[in-house]
Order: sequence, then C-alpha cells, then structure tokens
Amino acid sequence: NAGVMQNPRHLVRRRGQEARLRCSPMKGHSHVYWYRQLPEEGLKFMVYLQKENIIDESGMPKERFSAEFPKEGPSILRIQQVVRGDSAAYFCASSRDQGAKNIQYFGAGTRLSVL
Amino acid sequence: AQKVTQAQTEISVVEKEDVTLDCVYETRDTTYYLFWYKQPPSGELVFLIRRNSFDEQNEISGRYSWNFQKSTSSFNFTITASQVVDSAVYFCALSEAGNNRKLIWGLGTSLAVNP
Repeated sequence: NAGVMQNPRHLVRRRGQEARLRCSPMKGHSHVYWYRQLPEEGLKFMVYLQKENIIDESGMPKERFSAEFPKEGPSILRIQQVVRGDSAAYFCASSRDQGAKNIQYFGAGTRLSVL
Repeated sequence: AQKVTQAQTEISVVEKEDVTLDCVYETRDTTYYLFWYKQPPSGELVFLIRRNSFDEQNEISGRYSWNFQKSTSSFNFTITASQVVDSAVYFCALSEAGNNRKLIWGLGTSLAVNP
C-alpha cells in the first residue's frame, strides 16, 4: 500500500540546467498537486492536475516551469534553466476525488539545490 | 481573501507539558475545510486531521485534540503530555470548496519538546 512516491529525494543542478521532478500518486488517486516550500515563505500551491489535464496552474511561475500528468506514468514537474532562487523543497500530493474535502496525501518531497 | 495565520513561530516545552498550537484563518466561503499536517525533522508531510466548516465538534485522537471555533475563525491544536517524538513543524491549512481544492498554508509552528 505505497504512499505518494517522489523522486529523486535530492537533486543538485547547476544554474542553467534542467530539473525534472517525478511524482507517482497513491494507488487509486487521479488528482495531483504540486507545492513549493521556500525558506521563510512556507508552502505555496503551484499546480493541480488530473490525468492528462492541468486544472489550475495559478501558482506556477509563468516562465521556465511546466507540469504534466500523462495517462500513463508519473506526474512530472519540469524546471528549465534553473536559477539559485529555484532552490527549495518541492512536494507532491495526491487525492482520490474532486472536492475540497478530500485529503491530500503528500510524498516525502524533492529537495532541489541549484549551485 | 484566503489566509491562514500561525502566530507562534517557535515553541519550546519540556516533555510531559501540554502545548497548544494556534491557527486563525480567513475565508469568504461558507464551505471550507481545515487541516493540520506535521513535518518531522525527516521532512515529509504527514496528515493529521481534516475538519469541515459545518462540523464544530472538537476532536480527540490519543494525546492530540483539536478545537474548532467558527466564531473566532480558529482551529487550534493541543498536544497533551508532549513527548520528544512530537518535535516537528506543524502546519495548519485551509481548502475552499470554490477554489480548486488547493491548500493555503500557514507558515508553521516549530515545536521542540525537550527531555
């Protein structure tokens, strides 16, 4: 009964490289959320996806960031041309159904360090 | 606008003391959900409780209890007879029915329980 799986746990990139963060939701969950945790700023919503659809990307930076949740395979958060300010912990959560009441279960996060 | 405030940045107690973590929220929705999550030193986010806006009953789970009061827009969390393993950052979060289920987070309270 695996929970939300995120990999890698730690990712080091140099400025200008690309970062790919993966998230496999809990079994039976078709809704995925990405959050970013910056020091001193707390957790912020980035994007909400269902299979093959982006539902709400109001928290995503307009440039360099993209997310997908394909029909098969994990959800991917992609950051192109990373900068030092992208260093943060990125958390993925999944839920079973629609609705605000549904509990979002989180993965262990990916800690991105940009050198 | 939606907002979650956790006024206590850090709390330090001695083992076996009771401790209350405060959470105050703002929302215009009449239907919303409140959550508490725990982030231990290992970094993952662990779900603790969900409460909907129509249920003001207090809840107790072992040494944990929650006090939801709509009149003061508060959802406080009490740990009774604290233990060293309770040391973590605790986050309060809000989800609105009309806001695509994204979680809006407080900045967290860092609890240190000392032996």
